[in-house]
Amino acid sequence: DVKVTQSSRYLVKRTGEKVFLECVQDMDHENMFWYRQDPGLGLRLIYFSYDVKMKEKGDIPEGYSVSREKKERFSLILESASTNQTSMYLCASSSPAADTIYFGEGSWLTVV
Amino acid sequence: SQQGEEDPQALSIQEGENATMNCSYKTSINNLQWYRQNSGRGLVHLILIRSNEREKHSGRLRVTLDTSKKSSSLLITASRAADTASYFCATDFRADKLIFGTGTRLQVFP
Repeated sequence: DVKVTQSSRYLVKRTGEKVFLECVQDMDHENMFWYRQDPGLGLRLIYFSYDVKMKEKGDIPEGYSVSREKKERFSLILESASTNQTSMYLCASSSPAADTIYFGEGSWLTVV
Repeated sequence: SQQGEEDPQALSIQEGENATMNCSYKTSINNLQWYRQNSGRGLVHLILIRSNEREKHSGRLRVTLDTSKKSSSLLITASRAADTASYFCATDFRADKLIFGTGTRLQVFP
């Protein structure tokens, strides 16, 4: 079974802190994604990556950056967390040859 | 920018009834997928329908696609309490990047 693991399920951080959300997949997928999910807004794409060291902006990249140093790992970075970044963050991965993407269980981030 | 929009936003039914959710999208697609999300969890793929298909079945799920109307529907037959979840459609109008709708929250009462 494909497994996408998000290292933290629940985090509480203070405004201005630097936050790292880590995601690891075990299926050798080229594509990895970070989405943000908010009530009434659905899933919005923050960043995605097609390969190691490659990244592209999604629909809402402001306030975020990403890192992909290894194929299996894709990190989302909040350089200076703000309260409007309180949300559920979902990591996902896929193979270019396949249509389905696989999600992690999500990370609930609260910024106080 | 949201590509798909689900309708209704919320749906409550009794066990045994059928549940129908609709998805409308804006631009041409290669395929459309439906995902399920249990409360507070990640999304799980349910079914994919390609643009040259009109209907597809998987167990109690039936998906239809009308490309002329840019719409799809997901039917869950003989629903169970365990079907309680949010359901999202997703389209691939930008290659490799799925764009999700806002979801339909389904509540199935025992």
